[in-house]
Amino acid sequence: GENVEQHPSTLSVQEGDSAVIKCTYSDSASNYFPWYKQELGKGPQLIIDIRSNVGEKKDQRIAVTLNKTAKHFSLHITETQPEDSAVYFCAASSGGYQKVTFGTGTKLQVIP
Amino acid sequence: DARVTQTPRHKVTEMGQEVTMRCQPILGHNTVFWYRQTMMQGLELLAYFRNRAPLDDSGMPKDRFSAEMPDATLATLKIQPSEPRDSAVYFCASAGTGLPYEQYFGPGTRLTVT
Repeated sequence: GENVEQHPSTLSVQEGDSAVIKCTYSDSASNYFPWYKQELGKGPQLIIDIRSNVGEKKDQRIAVTLNKTAKHFSLHITETQPEDSAVYFCAASSGGYQKVTFGTGTKLQVIP
Repeated sequence: DARVTQTPRHKVTEMGQEVTMRCQPILGHNTVFWYRQTMMQGLELLAYFRNRAPLDDSGMPKDRFSAEMPDATLATLKIQPSEPRDSAVYFCASAGTGLPYEQYFGPGTRLTVT
């Protein structure tokens, strides 16, 4: 089955700086890569996703990049704000987009 | 504002007791997932259903866990008998058909087994 590794497990940045979270996946058939944000006491929420026919996708301060050859993808958050503090999960899916395998999560702390 | 609901939000029980967690998916969503979240294992998929039929429950310990969808508005996850190692947050998520493939998560049930 699919295996998703995520790094780093914790990340602290100063407000206004950028944050980068990296993930690798094992199944070359994976073709859908969502990112979820989980705030304290809540369930994860989708913030952005990318499909395998696209190399990069941007939504305001958030961007994702995908390198299918190397089987890795990354989340970039620019101009970080305190409300970006949360746990971020990457995920990968193959053969039927709805079932995904999650990475182990990155706890992001944005220091005001 | 459509959202997934889960009950109870918190449950404390003694080892050996039966625990039932309930989930109401978003109306019209045909796929329901059950996840378990712990510090050590992260988010683990336990089981998922499409159109109320179980598609994959390979992540679920079969001897004590069971998952069902009695109807399109209710999914249940049952643990019998419960053990301290079952202590975790259990999330239900639902998804619709086709694009986008977003899973909508409920607020979770925090289970503590003493």
